[in-house]
Amino acid sequence: QKEVEQNSGPLSVPEGAIASLNCTYSDRGSQSFFWYRQYSGKSPELIMSIYSNGDKEDGRFTAQLNKASQYVSLLIRDSQPSDSATYLCAVRDRGGKLIFGQGTELSVKP
Amino acid sequence: DVKVTQSSRYLVKRTGEKVFLECVQDMDHENMFWYRQDPGLGLRLIYFSYDVKMKEKGDIPEGYSVSREKKERFSLILESASTNQTSMYLCASIFSGGSYEQYFGPGTRLTVT
Repeated sequence: QKEVEQNSGPLSVPEGAIASLNCTYSDRGSQSFFWYRQYSGKSPELIMSIYSNGDKEDGRFTAQLNKASQYVSLLIRDSQPSDSATYLCAVRDRGGKLIFGQGTELSVKP
Repeated sequence: DVKVTQSSRYLVKRTGEKVFLECVQDMDHENMFWYRQDPGLGLRLIYFSYDVKMKEKGDIPEGYSVSREKKERFSLILESASTNQTSMYLCASIFSGGSYEQYFGPGTRLTVT
């Protein structure tokens, strides 16, 4: 079982819709969770971090964490074509390293 | 803003050459990391360092070594480059006493011919 799992996609949504990206993790003791956006040919860019159960909102982005279900998600409201990218979920392990999922490719169609 | 820089965006080397990839961060971060990223394989950790002169092997250290003589600089060394080391190399750093948010450099696209 992979430690951090994401659907690879591609996930296609129309412009203006809500994009929902999901991630599950295997280590129940994990405490820190991150979402990165990566455009083709570029390095990952940190867009959200979340540490407590519940929702955390930042502009059009909302991260949701459910530690009991070992599930973290990212919602992108009013999706724009510029949001088209690969989104990486990362979980900090007990040794301090980040464990990354394989990423979900998002395509926002005009 | 955290800034992580890498010495080259694109690099072409020949098989057997010794290759140095340099990474510098300007935020006094203790922890630094080297990854490679390949299509279908995701991000894979090569080496990391928690402090000056300290290094730990990641998941795929074979064929690589690292050097951390100063806190702000973490170097990745390919002792004898091979074609299977053609990849995107990404450096990252974290301040361990804070939020543990990890920031990446722009990456080096290395091609070994």
